Amino acid sequence: SQQGEEDPQALSIQEGENATMNCSYKTSINNLQWYRQNSGRGLVHLILIRSNEREKHSGRLRVTLDTSKKSSSLLITASRAADTASYFCATDHIYNQGGKLIFGQGTELSVKP
Amino acid sequence: DVKVTQSSRYLVKRTGEKVFLECVQDMDHENMFWYRQDPGLGLRLIYFSYDVKMKEKGDIPEGYSVSREKKERFSLILESASTNQTSMYLCASRYLKNSNQPQHFGDGTRLSIL
Repeated sequence: SQQGEEDPQALSIQEGENATMNCSYKTSINNLQWYRQNSGRGLVHLILIRSNEREKHSGRLRVTLDTSKKSSSLLITASRAADTASYFCATDHIYNQGGKLIFGQGTELSVKP
Repeated sequence: DVKVTQSSRYLVKRTGEKVFLECVQDMDHENMFWYRQDPGLGLRLIYFSYDVKMKEKGDIPEGYSVSREKKERFSLILESASTNQTSMYLCASRYLKNSNQPQHFGDGTRLSIL
């Protein structure tokens, strides 16, 4: 079942602005992962943050994790039109069976030039 | 780089046909997964496999079966295709032994059942 919830469902910003997407989950995790999906394509892994980490950076991406609130956020700084895509969080739960991930519904990001 | 290859990007089939979707990965991953993705419903897990000849039902297995005869190949089978199986199908693989690994996805197959 889908347990992750992302917020907002859709986000429209201008090029150069920052984009923040949030993800909440329900049960204890090993790690949380963010993925990106361009229209009509597969998902591409962006970043993984472990349950004992609070913040992680990769280029223009910054991910935070608050296990006490069971939430994470993805920040994309200085956004570009090419960042237009859907972004999904996925959680790897402690009692996970078979390497499954639980995906959220996604945030659709539109970056206008 | 891990490569997950799905046999078709677009496929059109007729109601009642038996449909095979193929997925191959080149990284010796133990885990493989089949999802379907529909607007407003996100990714839903159909079946997954953690070893050759092993399979487990996901959240929506009805109307589907799978086959994993070789480690690198995971096939999704629609036994008798119906229009409500029109969807985007995504295959993924994952290294099992270290849980801090991502899933790697193919480009998807957009399947239309007429």
